[in-house]
Amino acid sequence: DAGVIQSPRHEVTEMGQEVTLRCKPISGHDYLFWYRQTMMRGLELLIYFNNNVPIDDSGMPEDRFSAKMPNASFSTLKIQPSEPRDSAVYFCASSFKAGSVSTDTQYFGPGTRLTVL
Amino acid sequence: QKEVEQNSGPLSVPEGAIASLNCTYSDRGSQSFFWYRQYSGKSPELIMFIYSNGDKEDGRFTAQLNKASQYVSLLIRDSQPSDSATYLCAVNAGANNLFFGTGTRLTVIP
Repeated sequence: DAGVIQSPRHEVTEMGQEVTLRCKPISGHDYLFWYRQTMMRGLELLIYFNNNVPIDDSGMPEDRFSAKMPNASFSTLKIQPSEPRDSAVYFCASSFKAGSVSTDTQYFGPGTRLTVL
Repeated sequence: QKEVEQNSGPLSVPEGAIASLNCTYSDRGSQSFFWYRQYSGKSPELIMFIYSNGDKEDGRFTAQLNKASQYVSLLIRDSQPSDSATYLCAVNAGANNLFFGTGTRLTVIP
C-alpha cells in the first residue's frame, strides 16, 4: 500500500497567487481530512469528507480556502488568493470506518510545506 | 468546545530511562484515544490507540487511560535517542474526527 500521497511536497508562491494542494487517500478509506500545522497553533483540522461529501468545514479559516473531493481517490485544497499567514505545512489524512472502533485511526500523508512570500 | 491539553515540554530524559507523557481531555463522551509520534519535518505516525480504562502495552510503549479523570498517558520504557520526537495526543470527537493536542517534545539524551 502506497499510503496517503500528497503533492506537491513543497510550494513557494507569492502573495495573491492561487495555490492548489492535492491528496490521494489510501484505497478503501471512507474518510479524508485536511489539516494545517504551524508552530503557534499546532495541528488544526480544516475540513473532512465522508464518502466524498464534506461533513465539517468549520475549520476552514475563511472564504479564500476551498476543498473538493470529486471522487474517492482524489481531493484538492485551494487557497485563492494566498497570503503570507497561510504559510504552514498542510497534511492530508484518511481513515477507514467499518463500524469497528479500531478502524478510526487516521493515516497521514507526508504533507505539503507552503511558503507564501 | 472539545479540548486536548498536553505539556509542551521539552521533556528531557536520559537514555534508558522511562519517559512519561501526559494528556487531559475535556469531553467526557470521548471513546477512543490515540498517540502519534512526529519527527521533525515529518508527518504524524500512529504509535498506539486505547479504548478501555487501564493499561495497554506494545513493546516499549504503554498507554494508560483513566476515563473518570479524563486522563491518558504514554510511557516509553528504555528510552532511546531515536525516540526523540514530538508526541501528539488525539481524542476521538465523533464520526472519525480527532482532536489533537499541541504535542510534547521529547529529547532522549545519550
